Amino acid sequence: QKEVEQNSGPLSVPEGAIASLNCTYSDRGSQSFFWYRQYSGKSPELIMSIYSNGDKEDGRFTAQLNKASQYVSLLIRDSQPSDSATYLCAVNSMDSSYKLIFGSGTRLLVRP
Amino acid sequence: GAGVSQSPSNKVTEKGKDVELRCDPISGHTALYWYRQSLGQGLEFLIYFQGNSAPDKSGLPSDRFSAERTGGSVSTLTIQRTQQEDSAVYLCASSLEAEGEQFFGPGTRLTVL
Repeated sequence: QKEVEQNSGPLSVPEGAIASLNCTYSDRGSQSFFWYRQYSGKSPELIMSIYSNGDKEDGRFTAQLNKASQYVSLLIRDSQPSDSATYLCAVNSMDSSYKLIFGSGTRLLVRP
Repeated sequence: GAGVSQSPSNKVTEKGKDVELRCDPISGHTALYWYRQSLGQGLEFLIYFQGNSAPDKSGLPSDRFSAERTGGSVSTLTIQRTQQEDSAVYLCASSLEAEGEQFFGPGTRLTVL
């Protein structure tokens, strides 16, 4: 069973729409959650971190965390073609809290 | 400020050769991580260094892989007797402290022929 699961996509949305990316994790003791953006051929870039239940907003990005449901999501408002990338969800491992477990990523396509 | 740097950016080698990959973390970051990303695969944790503590080598896939971190800064990942399945992008990350946000370098793309 995968520890961090994401729909591989592609998720296709029109420019200006809200893109919703979802992630579930299996380790109930995880405390730290991260979203990375990875353009093709590039390395992951940290865009959001979240540690407490609820919403955290940063510009056009909102991360949502529900520890009871073991669910974390990323909303991208006013999606732009430049947001087209693979979005990686990462969750810290309970047995080694510095170790991040990554999902396989969701590919997002924003249509002009 | 400067981010994490890695060298070389690309490395092509022949099966059986040894390779060394270098990582220079963000200045002041005490924690350093190595990950591997194979084509179409997720990121796989390899090794973790924190200050002067013993590293967590639990993710190294075989004893052909080793890493060191000198002076609490630069790290070198060495792969001995490379195999074709070692072909991947090797990513280094650093964080200000253990369990902190991890920032990645540009990676080294390793191709073993």
